Amino acid sequence: SAVISQKPSRDICQRGTSLTIQCQVDSQVTMMFWYRQQPGQSLTLIATANQGSEATYESGFVIDKFPISRPNLTFSTLTVSNMSPEDSSIYLCSVEVIAGRSTDTQYFGPGTRLTVL
Amino acid sequence: AQTVTQSQPEMSVQEAETVTLSCTYDTSENNYYLFWYKQPPSRQMILVIRQEAYKQQNATENRFSVNFQKAAKSFSLKISDSQLGDTAMYFCAFTSNFGNEKLTFGTGTRLTIIP
Repeated sequence: SAVISQKPSRDICQRGTSLTIQCQVDSQVTMMFWYRQQPGQSLTLIATANQGSEATYESGFVIDKFPISRPNLTFSTLTVSNMSPEDSSIYLCSVEVIAGRSTDTQYFGPGTRLTVL
Repeated sequence: AQTVTQSQPEMSVQEAETVTLSCTYDTSENNYYLFWYKQPPSRQMILVIRQEAYKQQNATENRFSVNFQKAAKSFSLKISDSQLGDTAMYFCAFTSNFGNEKLTFGTGTRLTIIP
């Protein structure tokens, strides 16, 4: 498995501002993912972040709104830009751990609870 | 596109009883992986169990086991001897062996264990 930490754990922000969320892993991983979980909902993938390349965004998510950095194999950031109350969600990062030739499993960080006023 | 369906929004069971959570999925892939994740009120997503589609044997992890029916595209989770700490949201998830390995989640089942 992997130990994943996220900062901040929660924040309350004013609309129009930006927040950068950090994700740190205790081992080198190739693939990192950012998910959004809106209140009472399931998880939706925002983007996949591979080290050394541009993040790949899912339909409905754009780089201008959710810029992502992946400077090395243990760290990534997600920025939520020009926030509105609709951005109030839990944001989770996950990493993919490959166990030999078989199952690729994603392990999750503790999440960042964002409230936009 | 793959879809994952959890038809039970909420369930409750007495402590020490057995409960089964349902999950169905739709895919045209032959090789894929299925997962159950648990999200307690702390919001940490915790892997409960995983199943490789090429394995006929159902996965088990202590009190947790799955009933994987590949032809029916069904993947249910059985929790035996349920404990208060099992109270959480449970999400079924799917990933194919190809593509960008993203997880597709179901809508979740809120499980409450009653003392």
